[in-house]
Amino acid sequence: QSVLTQPPSVSGAPGQRVSISCIGSSSNLGAGYDVHWYQQFPGTAPKLLIYANSHRPSGVPDRFSGSKSGTSASLAITGLQAEDEADYYCQSYDGSLSGSGVFGGGTKLTVL
Amino acid sequence: EVQLVESGGGLVQPGGSLRLSCEASEFAFSNHAMSWVRQAPGKGLEWVSAITGSGGNTYYADSVKGRFTISRDNSKNTLFLQMDSVRAGDSAVYYCVKDHGHNYGSWFDPWGQGTLVTVAS
Repeated sequence: QSVLTQPPSVSGAPGQRVSISCIGSSSNLGAGYDVHWYQQFPGTAPKLLIYANSHRPSGVPDRFSGSKSGTSASLAITGLQAEDEADYYCQSYDGSLSGSGVFGGGTKLTVL
Repeated sequence: EVQLVESGGGLVQPGGSLRLSCEASEFAFSNHAMSWVRQAPGKGLEWVSAITGSGGNTYYADSVKGRFTISRDNSKNTLFLQMDSVRAGDSAVYYCVKDHGHNYGSWFDPWGQGTLVTVAS
């Protein structure tokens, strides 16, 4: 059971918009800790996709966007492409766990 | 380009020990906190441990507290994870990750390629 809750899977057709939720609590997202998102392809290391709630690292397409409000956050992908098919993880920190880093359980994105 | 290269993984018996290393290059190593994150086969990511840039503060997930020890040698740009009293549940790919700031608590970028630890008899 992950501290941050993500849907196990989402899907969408090419060109569509999908969003992935990340639900936390008052001790992590609700306490003001930022949320970060990572993309992972099979057999490879995760890669930073969104940092500090809504910022894109250099090289990440603007089709990817993030937001956070209260105890929840979301990652949105517009203009879905086949190459976006991957696992996505949210990450933050939890003040009730001695500042431990916490991850969501991950969401498998399938492009139909 | 920032690089993180892990080593030291392998097969270890339950109750045994293993020491993971992560060699860092192309950034001011001592200016950044570092963490270990693991991923069991077919499972999600789990933060394991972190250490501040100076090495003065360390943090552990409850699942490894008292068994794992994180350390760093800033003169050699190397991060370590000493794993003692290992259990089957510690089997995973272990990733070395660079924290954005000196003090632990921001985002992880980049990630190393990972080193596989298998705990089995």
